[in-house]
Amino acid sequence: SAVISQKPSRDICQRGTSLTIQCQVDSQVTMMFWYRQQPGQSLTLIATANQGSEATYESGFVIDKFPISRPNLTFSTLTVSNMSPEDSSIYLCSAVGQDSNQPQHFGDGTRLSIL
Amino acid sequence: DAKTTQPTSMDCAEGRAANLPCNHSTISGNEYVYWYRQIHSQGPQYIIHGLKNNETNEMASLIITEDRKSSTLILPHATLRDTAVYYCTWYVNDYKLSFGAGTTVTVRA
Repeated sequence: SAVISQKPSRDICQRGTSLTIQCQVDSQVTMMFWYRQQPGQSLTLIATANQGSEATYESGFVIDKFPISRPNLTFSTLTVSNMSPEDSSIYLCSAVGQDSNQPQHFGDGTRLSIL
Repeated sequence: DAKTTQPTSMDCAEGRAANLPCNHSTISGNEYVYWYRQIHSQGPQYIIHGLKNNETNEMASLIITEDRKSSTLILPHATLRDTAVYYCTWYVNDYKLSFGAGTTVTVRA
């Protein structure tokens, strides 16, 4: 199964700043995703990171706020822009391999606090 | 969205079997059911998945009803390290997972 590493594991940021989260997979994967988990809540899908093209965003999430890159089959970044306290959450990266019906695997997330 | 119904919480004694139910009546005929758990401060961990037949691996067993509208995850001998939130889900489209609230399982010594 794919091993997914996220950096940073946690950060404390000032209001109005931006932070880029990195996600590295130890093998080539077909799909990569970004989720948000607000305090005490379940996971919500932000977007699908598409290799070589613009990410596909879920309802309620926009590219200006959460720009995503995926330059190759093993790496993706999520930027949280112009942060406010409401953006304090855990941001998780996941990936699924090239065979159908494979399980999706997750990183341990980036715990973000905005002051 | 993957509409699932799971108990909010469940207690289990250490060493005993934990049976976690999930109702997924809207799942389509060719979608696998996936179970994950999330231990505090970690990302979701894949446990097991299945389509129609019962499945077993080193972590758990999965029982899927014949009509596929529900399933039960069985942790055969729960340990304190099994304390976590457990989610059942499936790929709603394009490999997208939709997570409900899950079941908070607390294993007590």
